[in-house]
Amino acid sequence: EADIYQTPRYLVIGTGKKITLECSQTMGHDKMYWYQQDPGMELHLIHYSYGVNSTEKGDLSSESTVSRIRTEHFPLTLESARPSHTSQYLCASTYRRGESLEAFFGQGTRLTVV
Amino acid sequence: GEDVEQSLFLSVREGDSSVINCTYTDSSSTYLYWYKQEPGAGLQLLTYIFSNMDMKQDQRLTVLLNKKDKHLSLRIADTQTGDSAIYFCAESMGSWGKLQFGAGTQVVVTP
Repeated sequence: EADIYQTPRYLVIGTGKKITLECSQTMGHDKMYWYQQDPGMELHLIHYSYGVNSTEKGDLSSESTVSRIRTEHFPLTLESARPSHTSQYLCASTYRRGESLEAFFGQGTRLTVV
Repeated sequence: GEDVEQSLFLSVREGDSSVINCTYTDSSSTYLYWYKQEPGAGLQLLTYIFSNMDMKQDQRLTVLLNKKDKHLSLRIADTQTGDSAIYFCAESMGSWGKLQFGAGTQVVVTP
């Protein structure tokens, strides 16, 4: 069982509000990721981190920001939520097992901005 | 443009074999993966294949890789209703292991 957790699972919030999506993993993985999943299911990488104090933007431009102050914690923040931010957000961490890369995903946060 | 492409939908009868296809563009990809996402859940790693392999079998799952054509497929034998899910093809790019996903294939298993 993967030890990566996201909260909240579901969030409905009004336009203009500031929100933080939490992601925590207890596996000590250095690399963590945030993906945005469209309602049609496509996954887009929006942020990633190599480790503490490392954050990079992903392939899809996002108005969200992330921080990595601790290895186990990789929160994502939207300063002013808009309806266009409505989506599912998936957090993941990866590690190398031998020659393979394995990713663990959280359950996701389904965000609706009204 | 998309680095990893998949067909979006597949319908299959219970007991038949399913074949999900994927093409990728990055010839430097070292590993290719198949993930499964059930409704309301995160992604679960099903299997992976190293780029110097042609085939990998794991119980009901068979992965075929044609590196020349950059084509990857996942065959599920004796498909069950529990196999209904979205299946994502992914490749790892670079030594630090960023995963690039395809758009996912929705597999629906009918009785």
